[in-house]
Amino acid sequence: EVQLVESGGGLVKPGWSLRLSCVASGFTFSDYNMNWVRQAPGKGLEWLSFISGNTAYIYYADSIRGRFTISRDNAKNLLFLQMNSLRAEDTAVYYCVRGDWNYDFDHWGQGALVTVSS
Amino acid sequence: EIVLTQSPATLSLSPGERATLSCRASQSVSNSLAWYQQKPGQAPRLLIYDASGRATGIPARFSGSGSGTDFTLTISSLEPEDFAVYYCQNRNNWQFTFGPGTKVD
Repeated sequence: EVQLVESGGGLVKPGWSLRLSCVASGFTFSDYNMNWVRQAPGKGLEWLSFISGNTAYIYYADSIRGRFTISRDNAKNLLFLQMNSLRAEDTAVYYCVRGDWNYDFDHWGQGALVTVSS
Repeated sequence: EIVLTQSPATLSLSPGERATLSCRASQSVSNSLAWYQQKPGQAPRLLIYDASGRATGIPARFSGSGSGTDFTLTISSLEPEDFAVYYCQNRNNWQFTFGPGTKVD
């Protein structure tokens, strides 16, 4: 069974940094592209970043480019999102999401809540 | 940047009725469109890929159609568990865009 479990969320102040982690199991992690998607409270879905299985390709949404960095450790089945210079508008549930053969988002974690507030 | 517009924002129906949800793209996306279902407190679930392909394990009452700029998700007969928010999504030039969602209640 595919499982994605995020961790590292919490309450931080504006300008602070935070690193989210996602541990994957139930599939060959290095064979799959991975993504981060977020959802602000009561709002819709926003894709943030993509990383290919071999880390050769990385893409970001314009809204977070330059502040957030995606990475992965295939030996440990881990996906990361380093978030710097956090703002109140970054408050959201952050989902770790697997990309399938067609780049669709076929498995999602349960989400990690990040709250940015002074 | 491609913008996806979904209508209606809310669709009020009863179990057993047919639901028709619309997604319109600001420019042609060919058939590169997916649909996701999200229930309260849960992560989204992939329903439809490439405009009309049903994802693994998705019941046959869910169907997708369309190409170019206009797409439709149809639920032939609503089951109680189908009341949720539905999002369309496109990938273009390595930017993944979601529509604002349609709530079926």
